[in-house]
Parts: sequence; structure tokens; C-alpha cells
Amino acid sequence: GAVVSQHPSRVICKSGTSVKIECRSLDFQATTMFWYRQFPKQSLMLMATSNEGSKATYEQGVEKDKFLINHASLTLSTLTVTSAHPEDSSFYICSASPLWEQSNQPQHFGDGTRLSIL
Amino acid sequence: QKEVEQDPGPLSVPEGAIVSLNCTYSNSAFQYFMWYRQYSRKGPELLMYTYSSGNKEDGRFTAQVDKSSKYISLFIRDSQPSDSATYLCAMSAYGNKLVFGAGTILRVKS
Repeated sequence: GAVVSQHPSRVICKSGTSVKIECRSLDFQATTMFWYRQFPKQSLMLMATSNEGSKATYEQGVEKDKFLINHASLTLSTLTVTSAHPEDSSFYICSASPLWEQSNQPQHFGDGTRLSIL
Repeated sequence: QKEVEQDPGPLSVPEGAIVSLNCTYSNSAFQYFMWYRQYSRKGPELLMYTYSSGNKEDGRFTAQVDKSSKYISLFIRDSQPSDSATYLCAMSAYGNKLVFGAGTILRVKS
């Protein structure tokens, strides 16, 4: 149980393109999902907390107009990287926790999306 | 000082060895402790989840939490080459976001 699916797994696109990444909880509902970014050989960096039915909460230094988050249902959150540039190239990972788990823990992760901007 | 300290390794062991992975932390409010395994180009996979202090065993894996020392451990018995991965410790206080360690690269040689 507690499977999180992320799509697409790999994106290669030109600079200036907007890219949408989907995160779905397949066998549970989640009011909160999380978006992380991971650079090579580094740990995960939380970008934002996605809340179903309300605005996302962004971490300090993360541009909310650059990284648009929509959490339209209890099983789907999307991250859109707008007007992507090469410096946005990274590994983006989402996570979620079932409603019945206390304190949003433990979190279950998707398999990530590798974004490459040319 | 980082909230969570974890030696990045790499840690190389022979097949069959007992592996010990550790993290220390400074925030006494942390109550939830997790170990994740991450293979290259994949998302983290939850291995162990512990609330508060104590031990938890699942197959070849044992997680220990010592809140008095602010120290958590993951032991892997009879290590296999397929255990080669990056192991991330993570922890949180109630209702708060996860704080990760840097991750330890483990290599199990056959």
C-alpha cells in the first residue's frame, strides 16, 4: 500500500518551455503532498507543501511564480515549472502521506522526474 | 550546525557483513524517525518508521532510536549487493516537515 506515482519520469525540453509534473497517490487519499528537488549526490530539498483546496506553502527562496503548484483533488498534485531555463534542470520528487497517518508521517515518495532543459 | 548530521560515506562492506548506519540530530522536538533507501535515479523508498524511542525490526533491518542521546541507527544484517544504495535518515516534529540527513552511500561487494 501507500503507492505514489509520478509522471513523467523524464523530460527533455528547450529553454522557455513550461513543464508540468503530476504526482498521484494511487491507493490512498492525501490532503497534503510535498515537492522536493534533489541535485546530484545531495539530499532532498523541500520546495513546497501542496494543500488540497488551498494555496501551496513555499519554502524560503523558492519562487512561487516559477514553480506553480495545484492540488485539485485528494489524489493529485501538479508542479508546473514555468518558462524553464537550464538552471531549473534537476530531479524533482513528490511525496504524500495517507490521511490516517498522524502528522503527515511517514511520507511515501514517487520515483521522481528528471528534468533537463537545453 | 545542521539539524541532522549523517556521514555521506561511501561505506564499503563485503557481502554478508552487518552494516551500521547512523544519524545524530539537535532538535529535541523530533518524534518521528524514518530511514529511506534510494537507488540511483529513483525516489526514496521507506524502509523503517519509528515513533519516539526504541527498537523496531523488519526482516534484515533493525532501526534504533535513542532520544536521550539524539542518535538513530539502522542495522542491516547479512548485507547483499542489492542493498547497495544511498540511505537517508529523516525525522520530524509533530505536524512539521521532514528534515533529511545528507545520505550515506553504501556499497556491498560480492
